[in-house]
Amino acid sequence: DAGVTQSPTHLIKTRGQQVTLRCSPISGHKSVSWYQQVLGQGPQFIFQYYEKEERGRGNFPDRFSARQFPNYSSELNVNALLLGDSALYLCASSWGGLAGVGQETQYFGPGTRLLVL
Amino acid sequence: GENVEQHPSTLSVQEGDSAVIKCTYSDSASNYFPWYKQELGKGPQLIIDIRSNVGEKKDQRIAVTLNKTAKHFSLHITETQPEDSAVYFCAASTGNTPLVFGKGTRLSVIA
Repeated sequence: DAGVTQSPTHLIKTRGQQVTLRCSPISGHKSVSWYQQVLGQGPQFIFQYYEKEERGRGNFPDRFSARQFPNYSSELNVNALLLGDSALYLCASSWGGLAGVGQETQYFGPGTRLLVL
Repeated sequence: GENVEQHPSTLSVQEGDSAVIKCTYSDSASNYFPWYKQELGKGPQLIIDIRSNVGEKKDQRIAVTLNKTAKHFSLHITETQPEDSAVYFCAASTGNTPLVFGKGTRLSVIA
């Protein structure tokens, strides 16, 4: 059974550009969460979506946005990129049946490594 | 909000020895505590998790203990092997709040 998949694996952008990252959850999972992992730190929560609705949002600026599609895949968009946005962006999927943002076991994908120059 | 502290930041052990990683959390309402292993170039992989209604959970060479009174939980790896070398993260959540991760422990198992 396929795990969480993310694309692209690596990305290089320049300051001010926009980027879109994609994620497909584990089959049968209806919830997708996005995390930012800066080098040497643990993942930091950005968003969680369930059934196309935002279930939770972390402490990130409005330059970060996301959406979930009817097939439960998701996109994370970051506008007006800053150097500090360079990080590994992780997608995690979970069943979604429990209402709490942090209540279910989450399974992570391999991540997209974004470098902003 | 929740704050999770993880110690040590680096840990080296001889193959076959045990390794212990400790985490403390600040929110007494936290009730879910997963541990993740992250190898170079990969995403975090769940290795074990525990909920607040139990004090200990084991899975082969891995165990997690939880002390809710002291607000700390620990990961124990016995009979360490070179393939256990990775960065380990603890996390905590109240269930209604997102997972908050520690800063990680880089474990090196020396053959």
